Amino acid sequence: DTGVSQNPRHKITKRGQNVTFRCDPISEHNRLYWYRQTLGQGPEFLTYFQNEAQLEKSRLLSDRFSAERPKGSFSTLEIQRTEQGDSAMYLCASSSDRRSGNTIYFGEGRWLTVV
Amino acid sequence: GENVEQHPSTLSVQEGDSAVIKCTYSDSASNYFPWYKQELGKRPQLIIDIRSNVGEKKDQRIAVTLNKTAKHFSLHITETQPEDSAVYFCAASKDSSASKIIFGSGTRLSIRP
Repeated sequence: DTGVSQNPRHKITKRGQNVTFRCDPISEHNRLYWYRQTLGQGPEFLTYFQNEAQLEKSRLLSDRFSAERPKGSFSTLEIQRTEQGDSAMYLCASSSDRRSGNTIYFGEGRWLTVV
Repeated sequence: GENVEQHPSTLSVQEGDSAVIKCTYSDSASNYFPWYKQELGKRPQLIIDIRSNVGEKKDQRIAVTLNKTAKHFSLHITETQPEDSAVYFCAASKDSSASKIIFGSGTRLSIRP
């Protein structure tokens, strides 16, 4: 078990560019979550998957954001036409519904700075 | 949807004293309440959780209490140590087949030597 893996660690991008984050969940975890965190705030829910199905997407998420989990394993989060307000840490997490409870395990997170 | 409020936002206690962080939630259907600790530059990590079928749970110096009627839950840290300094987040969710977890805004705990 190598934990939830995210890459790249830090992205700096110019406003208007597209960025993509990748997340590899803990092996055999069928649920995968994306959260966003800004300084001084708690993780803010963006979206989550049960296997390959995207079950919920936050209303806070504009149509510039899209997430996929095509084979029910890794996931990608793409932000199109980035804006300065997108600057934050993007956290991926995973859990298993085969175990009691809904404990989610976070990856290290990836910082996005939009300049 | 669920809304989780957490306070205080910052807390400073003398080493060896106790610290208490309180949270409230809005959705009476929520039944799973984890607490996460986040050190500077690191990922949030689960430290303890409680389900609605119990009112209290303890793990060494950490304890959580839950009042379902009032929709309150609290984290208690006794005999605080310098390594307890971090940001703590409470959260709530429905422990169902597919459910998101909603976090509070965090409490920055500082332990004074």
